[in-house]
Amino acid sequence: GQQLNQSPQSMFIQEGEDVSMNCTSSSIFNTWLWYKQDPGEGPVLLIALYKAGELTSNGRLTAQFGITRKDSFLNISASIPSDVGIYFCAGRPRETSGSRLTFGEGTQLTVNP
Amino acid sequence: DGGITQSPKYLFRKEGQNVTLSCEQNLNHDAMYWYRQDPGQGLRLIYYSQIVNDFQKGDIAEGYSVSREKKESFPLTVTSAQKNPTAFYLCASRPGQGTYGYTFGSGTRLTVV
Repeated sequence: GQQLNQSPQSMFIQEGEDVSMNCTSSSIFNTWLWYKQDPGEGPVLLIALYKAGELTSNGRLTAQFGITRKDSFLNISASIPSDVGIYFCAGRPRETSGSRLTFGEGTQLTVNP
Repeated sequence: DGGITQSPKYLFRKEGQNVTLSCEQNLNHDAMYWYRQDPGQGLRLIYYSQIVNDFQKGDIAEGYSVSREKKESFPLTVTSAQKNPTAFYLCASRPGQGTYGYTFGSGTRLTVV
């Protein structure tokens, strides 16, 4: 199936720092989504993007749908300890029928107080 | 409050036994999904269903079976044919056409002993 390359795989930062992570694909996607997963829980949707170039914020989080439609970025500003978790990108490839999403392998974020 | 309920949270199974994981949603969502999550990997799709009485194989369906007799319920059976069943299993659902953000349950951790 389709593959998403998510990077970095892990990040160790100090509280207050900004964070950036991204997802890339070799094919065009129609939808990009960003999720956060706390340990032992299911992922929770943070931001959904539906148009190329779209820039959307949710509090300290900002995500962008890349112009080429092959990538997406998530930024977290002024990180706090509760930002710890795994962040997943997910996308719906243009050629996919129905509602199947492809998920990246996640970015493990650790925030040191 | 509407949501997805997965039960049990932890499940232990002896080798050679079948086991069924429950997933119930009261969101009136049409589509439901089962994913498997292993450490350091993304979410891999096992089965999905877009309407009642219909379901399709995902990327790793071997050794698993599902049913969708009711809109609210999408149970997953892990059979003895699944060679490496120890994993974290996530159920998700999605409204109808036009919205692609999945709502996830809190997961079931299956351990084969």
